[in-house]
Amino acid sequence: GQQVMQIPQYQHVQEGEDFTTYCNSSTTLSNIQWYKQRPGGHPVFLIQLVKSGEVKKQKRLTFQFGEAKKNSSLHITATQTTDVGTYFCAGRYGNQFYFGTGTSLTVIP
Amino acid sequence: DAGVTQSPTHLIKTRGQHVTLRCSPISGHKSVSWYQQVLGQGPQFIFQYYEKEERGRGNFPDRFSARQFPNYSSELNVNALLLGDSALYLCASSRPGEAFFGQGTRLTVV
Repeated sequence: GQQVMQIPQYQHVQEGEDFTTYCNSSTTLSNIQWYKQRPGGHPVFLIQLVKSGEVKKQKRLTFQFGEAKKNSSLHITATQTTDVGTYFCAGRYGNQFYFGTGTSLTVIP
Repeated sequence: DAGVTQSPTHLIKTRGQHVTLRCSPISGHKSVSWYQQVLGQGPQFIFQYYEKEERGRGNFPDRFSARQFPNYSSELNVNALLLGDSALYLCASSRPGEAFFGQGTRLTVV
C-alpha cells in the first residue's frame, strides 16, 4: 500500500541549531502538506506544496517539494524552544491522504 | 470566527457498543475529513466528504461509516467497537490550499 515515511523519528537539538525533517513517498504525490502537533494537541496546518520543485518559506521555516513529487523536507533555521513538537508531512494520492510517521523535535535551552 | 468543533471531547465505551462522533467545520468550508490517531503515530485517514458526498475512504473496516449534512457538519459512526479502536479521532475542515483540525475526540474502549 501507499506509504509516507519520515526521518528522523526523533531529533534533539540545542536551541539555535538548525533542524531538518525529510518525508519520502513510494508514489508520486498530488500535493503535500506539513503539520505541527504539540503534545496533547491537534495537528496545526503549516503549509501546502503542490508544484514540482516548489520552495516556500515562513520566517525560519523552509519547505521543499522534490522534482519528482515523491519527497519533501522541512528545515527550521536557528531553532527556538517554541519549535518543540512533532512535525508531520501528509501526502495526497487522489482522494486519500497519508500522514508520515512524524519527527519529534526536542529543543534544549 | 469559530474553528472546527468536535463533540464529545472524551468518551468511554464498552467493546461491542457503537459510537457517534460529531464535527462542525469552519463556516464556509465544504470539505470534512476524519482521521484516527493512535498514541505515538501519525493520523490515519478514514474518510473525506465534500458537499455531502464521500470523496475518499481509507483502509478501515465497514464498521466505520460517516455522513455529511446539508450544513456541512459531519458524523463518524463506529459499530461493534474493539479495544483497538481506542484512539484520538480528529476531524479536519478544509478549503483549497489549507486544512484545520479540531481538538479531537478521545475514545477509550474498555
